Amino acid sequence: EDQVTQSPEALRLQEGESSSLNCSYTVSGLRGLFWYRQDPGKGPEFLFTLYSAGEEKEKERLKATLTKKESFLHITAPKPEDSATYLCAVHSGGSNYKLTFGKGTLLTVNP
Amino acid sequence: DAGVIQSPRHEVTEMGQEVTLRCKPISGHDYLFWYRQTMMRGLELLIYFNNNVPIDDSGMPEDRFSAKMPNASFSTLKIQPSEPRDSAVYFCASSNTQGAPEFFGPGTRLTVL
Repeated sequence: EDQVTQSPEALRLQEGESSSLNCSYTVSGLRGLFWYRQDPGKGPEFLFTLYSAGEEKEKERLKATLTKKESFLHITAPKPEDSATYLCAVHSGGSNYKLTFGKGTLLTVNP
Repeated sequence: DAGVIQSPRHEVTEMGQEVTLRCKPISGHDYLFWYRQTMMRGLELLIYFNNNVPIDDSGMPEDRFSAKMPNASFSTLKIQPSEPRDSAVYFCASSNTQGAPEFFGPGTRLTVL
């Protein structure tokens, strides 16, 4: 059974203080790793898909990286508007798009 | 495009009642997903459709849950009879040929008393 563990559960940063969120996974044949952002009371917003170890994707202050065991979401010089829950999900094996999600990291960026 | 549209946004019902949740995906998207989110279990896939055909319903908890997609612009998730443990936020999502859920709706918060 696929497993996804995100850490830390919650992270509080000061504006401009860079940090990283971790997503560790155990799957039988990774086909894709996905990052989403979720604001309170809203549905998740797709950010990135990573397919193979060594791959990196960037979007504004966010950069996602992937190894064979984990993915990191690096946040550079965060702003208060980056506050949200960040979710990681994996797709493994088969052709069905059944993602397994982690519980998320709640990021709070204080001004 | 208005994005994925879900209705109702909030539903409060009593145990044993039938509940119907509705979703309008983004026009042109081939995949439609129904997810459930709770604090304990996080986001879980219930069922997804490709070109209106159910592909994987292994996440549907039990026979009380059913989903339909009669056309490319409409889907329903029905719970009959509802139970308190069904209380959660239900999300609908759609995507194009990428397959994985790309655009989520705002969700329906269901409370079963």
